[in-house]
Amino acid sequence: EAEVAQSPRYKITEKSQAVAFWCDPISGHATLYWYRQILGQGPELLVQFQDESVVDDSQLPKDRFSAERLKGVDSTLKIQPAELGDSAMYLCASSLGGSGMSTGELFFGEGSRLTVL
Amino acid sequence: AQSVTQLGSHVSVSEGALVLLRCNYSSSVPPYLFWYVQYPNQGLQLLLKYTSAATLVKGINGFEAEFKKSETSFHLTKPSAHMSDAAEYFCAVSPRRWGNEKLTFGTGTRLTIIP
Repeated sequence: EAEVAQSPRYKITEKSQAVAFWCDPISGHATLYWYRQILGQGPELLVQFQDESVVDDSQLPKDRFSAERLKGVDSTLKIQPAELGDSAMYLCASSLGGSGMSTGELFFGEGSRLTVL
Repeated sequence: AQSVTQLGSHVSVSEGALVLLRCNYSSSVPPYLFWYVQYPNQGLQLLLKYTSAATLVKGINGFEAEFKKSETSFHLTKPSAHMSDAAEYFCAVSPRRWGNEKLTFGTGTRLTIIP
């Protein structure tokens, strides 16, 4: 069964350091999402890609966060510098996106748990 | 803007009892609605989805949900709780437009099963 791959699963860093998360979506999925989930809350969208283009990054803190999907396949989310409040689970998801077969379902990876000390 | 409200951040039921998790949505157009389940330190797994076919939707693990437009609700139920159902459950809404499957999630309901 096709899955969304994410790495690393767990990351501990000190504040002011740089961190990066990687996501490989399900093959053929044009749309890729990065969500942030703070402990005890629902996931919140950070950025949405359609192929290699950013569709929505209105909630991405652009002073410290960046995301790219250069070839329209895998994606990297970077935080520099990390702050204590960035401690959260970072979830990647993908969907068919823009296809007549799409029913709105997102497929999620297992997430990357970030702890900032 | 679309949103969902989940009533009750924590729900406890006895093993074998009915599970009822509540979700109300707000949308100017008929939306897609979803229930996802999340186990500790895991990603989200789709339980079921409503995309304008039957209003009673059956999902995995014996869960089902009914779309009620008059009540703007999409409550999740399971007739008999099992210990393995203990998890966090999220209701989510998505606009009914091709190429825009952006999900907006509720705050979640943690389900505890009492032996």
